[in-house]
Amino acid sequence: SAVISQKPSRDICQRGTSLTIQCQVDSQVTMMFWYRQQPGQSLTLIATANQGSEATYESGFVIDKFPISRPNLTFSTLTVSNLSPEDSSIYLCSVEVLGTGTYEQYFGPGTRLTVT
Amino acid sequence: EDQVTQSPEALRLQEGESSSLNCSYTVSGLRGLFWYRQDPGKGPEFLFTLYSAGEEKEKERLKATLTKKESFLHITAPKPEDSATYLCAVQVPQGGSEKLVFGKGTKLTVNP
Repeated sequence: SAVISQKPSRDICQRGTSLTIQCQVDSQVTMMFWYRQQPGQSLTLIATANQGSEATYESGFVIDKFPISRPNLTFSTLTVSNLSPEDSSIYLCSVEVLGTGTYEQYFGPGTRLTVT
Repeated sequence: EDQVTQSPEALRLQEGESSSLNCSYTVSGLRGLFWYRQDPGKGPEFLFTLYSAGEEKEKERLKATLTKKESFLHITAPKPEDSATYLCAVQVPQGGSEKLVFGKGTKLTVNP
């Protein structure tokens, strides 16, 4: 398994500003993912962040809006830039690990962002 | 386009009343199917990964099964603490790796 922490757990930001979310894992992992969960909706993948390479973004998400860093095998950051109320959401970090014969994907507790 | 549909959207059970949640999928290439439990205000909690049709996995009162087109999460004699939203996700190929595509979830409420 993997234990994931995220900072901050929640924040209220003004439109036009940016928020950087940190994700820390208790073990080294290759694959890290960032998801968004809008109110009442399920999870949508923003990007995949592998250490040593550029993040891969899903359709509808761009690097200028959601820059990602992955400096080592236990840490990543997601920045949500030029905030608008539509960015109000929960942002979740996730990692994939090899369990007992199967791959398992674990999630952090999430960062609740409110944009005013 | 890869799609995951969960039904029902919401389910109310009495304590001890067994039932099943459904996850049907249409994907280009299934690498695996994941089940999660999510409590309000928390991140999803990993439950199971299934890889092939006919596979079954169990954890306490939960049992997950997989066919070629759908998966079921069976809940036997549920308790109020089983109340949560249950999410299904399919793992599909993406470039040189994989990604998860999630359904919208089934919100389960178990009344005492």
